[in-house]
Amino acid sequence: GAGVSQSPSNKVTEKGKDVELRCDPISGHTALYWYRQSLGQGLEFLIYFQGNSAPDKSGLPSDRFSAERTGGSVSTLTIQRTQQEDSAVYLCASSPGGGQPQHFGDGTRLSIL
Amino acid sequence: QKEVEQNSGPLSVPEGAIASLNCTYSDRGSQSFFWYRQYSGKSPELIMSIYSNGDKEDGRFTAQLNKASQYVSLLIRDSQPSDSATYLCAVWLLYGGSQGNLIFGKGTKLSVKP
Repeated sequence: GAGVSQSPSNKVTEKGKDVELRCDPISGHTALYWYRQSLGQGLEFLIYFQGNSAPDKSGLPSDRFSAERTGGSVSTLTIQRTQQEDSAVYLCASSPGGGQPQHFGDGTRLSIL
Repeated sequence: QKEVEQNSGPLSVPEGAIASLNCTYSDRGSQSFFWYRQYSGKSPELIMSIYSNGDKEDGRFTAQLNKASQYVSLLIRDSQPSDSATYLCAVWLLYGGSQGNLIFGKGTKLSVKP
């Protein structure tokens, strides 16, 4: 596809369950970012992958959060033992490289009951 | 602490006026600067990139960068109600070798009144 693709678009799950969110970046983009945005709030940086370098995980809020990027393309953000405060829109963005403009996906709206 | 600061607003301007959105950043090593527009319930959308001092114009939008003052701004001429959105300033900070990250401000909410 032409843009960043995220799935699912919406996810409702019970507290304590694990969830996986997927991001398929724009083809050829080496940089991939995950953000979280709560209602009415700014973007909260979670993690950044750049090529084959070790990811910048400095934004992950707890060890319940992890992310992988396989083959330098698709990324999965996993949240274990979900809590109600994890409810937010999770946004993925990609760019051709560091310092270049990011292009965002439509996000995954996560609701924890 | 590397920061990007924006006035949260809301900034209210009448239709047809010039809207001026401002952003300051803390790190003199900043390399690249971006403005994003985010409509309510939507993802951020890139509207301007600027890399060197001065002005860059694209249609009704002008980005202005002053690295000495660590200041970047976005002007919207002939503002329209459809410009009502939150505008996010983002700054690429290089923090060693080729390592860096894009730091976002919290955004300024713009309201254009008909």
